[in-house]
Amino acid sequence: GDSVTQTEGQVALSEEDFLTIHCNYSASGYPTLFWYVQYPGEGPQLLFRASRDKEKGSSRGFEATYDKGTTSFHLRKASVQESDSAVYYCALRSIASSSFSKLVFGQGTSLSVVP
Amino acid sequence: NAGVIQTPRHKVTGKGQEATLWCEPISGHSAVFWYRQTIVQGLEFLTYFRNQAPIDDSGMPKERFSAQMPNQSHSTLKIQSTQPQDSAVYLCASSLGLNQDTQYFGPGTRLLVL
Repeated sequence: GDSVTQTEGQVALSEEDFLTIHCNYSASGYPTLFWYVQYPGEGPQLLFRASRDKEKGSSRGFEATYDKGTTSFHLRKASVQESDSAVYYCALRSIASSSFSKLVFGQGTSLSVVP
Repeated sequence: NAGVIQTPRHKVTGKGQEATLWCEPISGHSAVFWYRQTIVQGLEFLTYFRNQAPIDDSGMPKERFSAQMPNQSHSTLKIQSTQPQDSAVYLCASSLGLNQDTQYFGPGTRLLVL
């Protein structure tokens, strides 16, 4: 079945550091890929998404590029802030007709940014 | 727009009791999704309704779990004879129901089964 793998479980950075969270997926065709962010006590909220090879998604300084060749959608930010501390989820939406609308999530990466 | 509303926010039940979780989707949204979040399993899809009709329940445990959407303004997830392993955050999401639209999540209901 479809799956999403996030390499980092926890990331600890200082403000203004560069962030990379790795996301690789396994699915047929061209699934839609997402990054969601979840703050304590809240549900996940969409950061951005991408649907085609080489498409870049971006929001609030975060960005990721859909790479069909390496089946990746790595999240990057050039300079993190303390307010970016949260859990980040990579997800995909399958194109298989039987499960078209459900989201498949990675395990999540907890980001902690200290001043 | 109040967003997706989930009640209660927290629920504590004893083993063997029933738990009913409520979700009110965003007005105008025709698709409702239920997910379960645990430390061990992460975020897992449970079930999905479109225009109140069940479309995909492939993630629902075969026993004790059921979901309904009696009208367009709310959906319920019922767990009978709750077990400690049912302890989790249950998240509801809604979307416009179109193919490429965004799912908007509620804050979740944290269920603790003692």
